[in-house]
Amino acid sequence: EVQLLESGGDLVQPGGSLRLSCAASGFTFSSYAMSWVRQAPGKGLEWVSVISGNGATSYYADSVKGRFTISRDNSKNTLYLQMNSLRAEDTALYYCARVTSILDYWGQGTLVTVSS
Amino acid sequence: EIVMTQSPATLSVSPGERATLSCRASQSVSSNLAWYQQKPGQAPRLLIYGASTRATGIPARFSGSGSGTEFTLTISSLQSEDFAVYYCQQYINWPPRTFGGGTKVEIK
Repeated sequence: EVQLLESGGDLVQPGGSLRLSCAASGFTFSSYAMSWVRQAPGKGLEWVSVISGNGATSYYADSVKGRFTISRDNSKNTLYLQMNSLRAEDTALYYCARVTSILDYWGQGTLVTVSS
Repeated sequence: EIVMTQSPATLSVSPGERATLSCRASQSVSSNLAWYQQKPGQAPRLLIYGASTRATGIPARFSGSGSGTEFTLTISSLQSEDFAVYYCQQYINWPPRTFGGGTKVEIK
């Protein structure tokens, strides 16, 4: 059974940093691209970033480019999102998802709140 | 960037009735279109991919159609568990993989 478990969400001040993790199980992690998607409170879904299975290629939404870094450790079956220079508008529930062109499995999300 | 527009924003439907949700892309995405369902407090769930292929375990009352720029999700006979928010997403290219704004299907 595919399972994705996010962690690392917290309350952080504007300008601060946070690293999210997503622990994967139930599939061959290194064979799949992985993505982060976020959802601000009461809003829709916003795609954030994607990384290839071997970690060599990644893409970002314009809203986070230069501030967020996606990475993965295939030996630990874990996906990461390093978030720097956080802003109030980054407040959201952050989901990780497995990519097979589409986002076929999603975690339950971890909440990031950016506020002073 | 491909912009995805969903309509209506809210759809009020009685149980047992048909629901028709629309999704429009600002440029052709061919059949690279997926639909997701999100219930309150839950993560999104994949419903449809390739514009018309149901994901594993999705009931036959859900159907998708369309190609190019115009797409439709139809729920043939709404059940209580189908009241949720539905999102379309294009996946013809990276980045970004844009989502539509969502359609909330509520009980009439």
